Amino acid sequence: ETGVTQSPTHLIKTRGQQVTLRCSSQSGHNTVSWYQQALGQGPQFIFQYYREEENGRGNFPPRFSGLQFPNYSSELNVNALELDDSALYLCASSLVSTGGRLTGELFFGEGSRLTVL
Amino acid sequence: AQSVTQLGSHVSVSEGALVLLRCNYSSSVPPYLFWYVQYPNQGLQLLLKYTSAATLVKGINGFEAEFKKSETSFHLTKPSAHMSDAAEYFCAVSGFGSGNTGKLIFGQGTTLQVKP
Repeated sequence: ETGVTQSPTHLIKTRGQQVTLRCSSQSGHNTVSWYQQALGQGPQFIFQYYREEENGRGNFPPRFSGLQFPNYSSELNVNALELDDSALYLCASSLVSTGGRLTGELFFGEGSRLTVL
Repeated sequence: AQSVTQLGSHVSVSEGALVLLRCNYSSSVPPYLFWYVQYPNQGLQLLLKYTSAATLVKGINGFEAEFKKSETSFHLTKPSAHMSDAAEYFCAVSGFGSGNTGKLIFGQGTTLQVKP
């Protein structure tokens, strides 16, 4: 067990709706990254949050947004859901130095599986 | 830009046989490379990582990988497969800049099947 917890574990939404996924980081970690893993694919980097600010973003549209809170927990919000948003969403926490580099490893949660109908 | 390619989406071996999972990378900066394992309905677990130290990296559960710059490869091996090794394996490179940024670019994954 990594200490990274995600909620909910499963959810079903319809096209056009909005969803919020939550992640609680491992104790002592200051950075949260989010990944989207479509069925049969490798995870794709969505974005990373460091000190409550977005610190890098992958090739995802603006309707994917996030927050990081002072306790380093995080939310992923997706607006105007599309069928292709159906995937496993993984959160990973880590400790990043002031120079912006990892000082340890990424610890992944078990993910939130989103189905869009 | 960095990328990884995993050769073979499915690999099947007999229990006790050698496991070889292939990964080639592309990177414009010295790469940081990783292998992760994913069991059904679970998140990703780090097996091992290369961070520019020794080229032969030993990981958990008897796995190891060798960084070969001339071949741009980072293949994962295990001398003797166990039934519990059956899982999805992902090779990844640290992307979006140099160093270990924590922003990983993953390959498509290789499903390892272990036959009794």
